[in-house]
Amino acid sequence: SQTIHQWPATLVQPVGSPLSLECTVEGTSNPNLYWYRQAAGRGLQLLFYSVGIGQISSEVPQNLSASRPQDRQFILSSKKLLLSDSGFYLCAWGGQTNEKLFFGSGTQLSVL
Amino acid sequence: AQSVAQPEDQVNVAEGNPLTVKCTYSVSGNPYLFWYVQYPNRGLQFLLKYITGDNLVKGSYGFEAEFNKSQTSFHLKKPSALVSDSALYFCAVRDPYSSASKIIFGSGTRLSIRP
Repeated sequence: SQTIHQWPATLVQPVGSPLSLECTVEGTSNPNLYWYRQAAGRGLQLLFYSVGIGQISSEVPQNLSASRPQDRQFILSSKKLLLSDSGFYLCAWGGQTNEKLFFGSGTQLSVL
Repeated sequence: AQSVAQPEDQVNVAEGNPLTVKCTYSVSGNPYLFWYVQYPNRGLQFLLKYITGDNLVKGSYGFEAEFNKSQTSFHLKKPSALVSDSALYFCAVRDPYSSASKIIFGSGTRLSIRP
């Protein structure tokens, strides 16, 4: 069966520090991968999605970047965190038909 | 561009009563529509989807949703609410005629079921 792993679960980082959040998927190949951000327990904002290795689509210009170095690995990064980067980050994967998404358990990022 | 709206921040219902959580959408073609539920500090869980076919879709935990093309709506419903249904609910849309992989979520509706 397919599983999605996202870590860490919580992260506290100072302003100006770098960020790396990792997401991996098991039990499937060539998934579509997504990073969403949820602010204050409300709406989800699509940040990045990827349909294949090295293929990244960015939805919102911001302080973050994403990479997909392997088929089932999706990384969210920042060189210098801002206070406004705080939030709950969710990774998700979907099949090629994208009939539904499967979400990781999320990372609560606090930038202080 | 595709978009989805959930006009209610919060819905309060007494246990045993029917519930409705509203969702409207905008896409250029025939939409793929979804409902997800989120419990505190967790990822989202899939409830149901509409791709094509019967406008009334049944999903997990006794939930159902009705696709209404003329009103561009996809409201989530349940005939009899449970306290355990209290959670944050998200409507989502995928426009199959735009990017094949872009899925947009609404702002979420917090459902509160009182005993």
